[in-house]
Amino acid sequence: SQTIHQWPATLVQPVGSPLSLECTVEGTSNPNLYWYRQAAGRGLQLLFYSVGIGQISSEVPQNLSASRPQDRQFILSSKKLLLSDSGFYLCAWTQGNGNEKLFFGSGTQLSVL
Amino acid sequence: SQELEQSPQSLIVQEGKNLTINCTSSKTLYGLYWYKQKYGEGLIFLMMLQKGGEEKSHEKITAKLDEKKQQSSLHITASQPSHAGIYLCGADRSNFGNEKLTFGTGTRLTIIP
Repeated sequence: SQTIHQWPATLVQPVGSPLSLECTVEGTSNPNLYWYRQAAGRGLQLLFYSVGIGQISSEVPQNLSASRPQDRQFILSSKKLLLSDSGFYLCAWTQGNGNEKLFFGSGTQLSVL
Repeated sequence: SQELEQSPQSLIVQEGKNLTINCTSSKTLYGLYWYKQKYGEGLIFLMMLQKGGEEKSHEKITAKLDEKKQQSSLHITASQPSHAGIYLCGADRSNFGNEKLTFGTGTRLTIIP
């Protein structure tokens, strides 16, 4: 069966520090991968998605970047965090066959202070 | 404005009572997904609706899609404490199956004994 792992679960970082959140999927190959952010009082916002290794599409301009160094690994990064980067970050995957059913990771609560 | 508006934003219901959550889209719906989220956790897939008039049920949760009204409703019968959480609707923004979902802001459901 397929599983998705996301870590860390919580993170407190000072403004201006770097960020690296990691997400891995097991039990499937060539998944589509997604990073969402859920800010307080707002819905889920799609940040990045990837249909293959090295292929990243950004949905909104921001202080963050994403990379996919391996088929089942998706990384969310920042060189310098801003206060506005605080939020709940969720990694997700789909089978990539036109079925949009998203499977989500357990999320990372990021607090930038 | 949000593409997907959910109402109500929060709901407090006595255990055993029925409730309905609505999701209205400002754009054409090609597919509608319902997810449930426990606070601080990832999202759990509930149901997917793809055709106008389609209705699906899972245990005591029923969802309907009204394509003409660009609206979906989620109905819980005889609510239980296990139903508490945040319910989010997600919509496919195209009919090409590009698997990028837009989410509503969520409805926080609290069940009181």
